[in-house]
Amino acid sequence: EVQLVESGGVVVQPGGSLRLSCAASEFTFDDYTMHWVRQAPGKGLEWVSLISWDGGSTYYADSVKGRFTISRDNSKNSLYLRMNSLRNEDTALYYCAKDGGTYHFDYWGQGTLVTVSS
Amino acid sequence: EIVLTQSPGTLSLSPGERATLSCRATQSVSSSFLAWYQQKPGQAPRLLIYGASSRATGIPDRFSGSGSGTDFTLTISRLEPEDFAVYYCQQYGSSRYTFGQGTKLEIK
Repeated sequence: EVQLVESGGVVVQPGGSLRLSCAASEFTFDDYTMHWVRQAPGKGLEWVSLISWDGGSTYYADSVKGRFTISRDNSKNSLYLRMNSLRNEDTALYYCAKDGGTYHFDYWGQGTLVTVSS
Repeated sequence: EIVLTQSPGTLSLSPGERATLSCRATQSVSSSFLAWYQQKPGQAPRLLIYGASSRATGIPDRFSGSGSGTDFTLTISRLEPEDFAVYYCQQYGSSRYTFGQGTKLEIK
């Protein structure tokens, strides 16, 4: 069974930085595009970013472009999200998700909570 | 950016009844790029349907998806107690992914 385990979520002040990690197992990690999706407390889902299987292509939601950087280390089966210039509105549960091959998300981690607050 | 609007916001039904959830897009969406997810409290979303009508692995056949263009539907033919949850549609276009705001399916 595919496993995705996120970590790194903490309470951080506005303007601060953070790096999230996602450890993947039970599938061939370097075959797949990977995503970050977030969910603010009590709200809906928002796609954040994707990275292609080889890291050669990355895309971002307009809300995080220029502040967040997605990366991966295929030798470690790991996905990352570097978050800079954090804002209150970035407070959310951040999910790591595996691409299903046709522009959907077929497996999700349990999420890691990022709280931006002074 | 394509905006997805789901209706109704809340649907109150009883076990055994049929549920019909709607997802409408502001522009035409390729059927290949439309998916549905179920989310229960405290859990991650679970993929139900992709490509508008293909059931994901392990999803019971009481769940079905249909539609094209700007109008898509998720149907649950006969509600089981475990089906009461929030449902989201999702689309891909122009290197961006967007979700609907969700429909809460609650027990009447």
